[in-house]
Amino acid sequence: GESVGLHLPTLSVQEGDNSIINCAYSNSASDYFIWYKQESGKGPQFIIDIRSNMDKRQGQRVTVLLNKTVKHLSLQIAATQPGDSAVYFCAENQEDSSYKLIFGSGTRLLVRP
Amino acid sequence: GAVVSQHPSWVICKSGTSVKIECRSLDFQATTMFWYRQFPKQSLMLMATSNEGSKATYEQGVEKDKFLINHASLTLSTLTVTSAHPEDSSFYICSATAGGRETQYFGPGTRLLVL
Repeated sequence: GESVGLHLPTLSVQEGDNSIINCAYSNSASDYFIWYKQESGKGPQFIIDIRSNMDKRQGQRVTVLLNKTVKHLSLQIAATQPGDSAVYFCAENQEDSSYKLIFGSGTRLLVRP
Repeated sequence: GAVVSQHPSWVICKSGTSVKIECRSLDFQATTMFWYRQFPKQSLMLMATSNEGSKATYEQGVEKDKFLINHASLTLSTLTVTSAHPEDSSFYICSATAGGRETQYFGPGTRLLVL
């Protein structure tokens, strides 16, 4: 079936460096994508979203890039901090009446002090 | 704004008992709520979509008679795990949206342990 997957299950970065978390999606009908951060024992926290009519969107210290040609999504975190350590999920949604999200498998980000 | 709460945050029960989990949108009216289940080190798996005043729509493979969902008001949805068994032990998370394709706001989750 359709799926959203990630290339790297675990990413370890030095504090202060930039982090890049990748996600591949397979449903060409998806046109809305969201990145979530989940800390241990907590619910997902919205980070940033992007619609398919855009290829880049920036937030505070985060940037999401969308490449529809290769069905690839990435989350860039600038100047990674210890508080960024968490599991990051991408999720996709297609424009239908259900508004369901399909989550990727997740990437754990570890920030080394 | 856009706060979603869940109660309880932790529950331990004996096998065969039923457990009710509440999901509330605190500062907005949620026309649609979603229930997810997450096993350790895994992703969120959608169980069902709940719309206020109507029957929930369950994902393939989710037993509707085992996981009863009620969305009686625009701020409250409940998930009842009936006759719980150890394999139902998981992290249950709800989310809510005010309608349309707006961001889903997630609750803090409920950890269920069935002994």
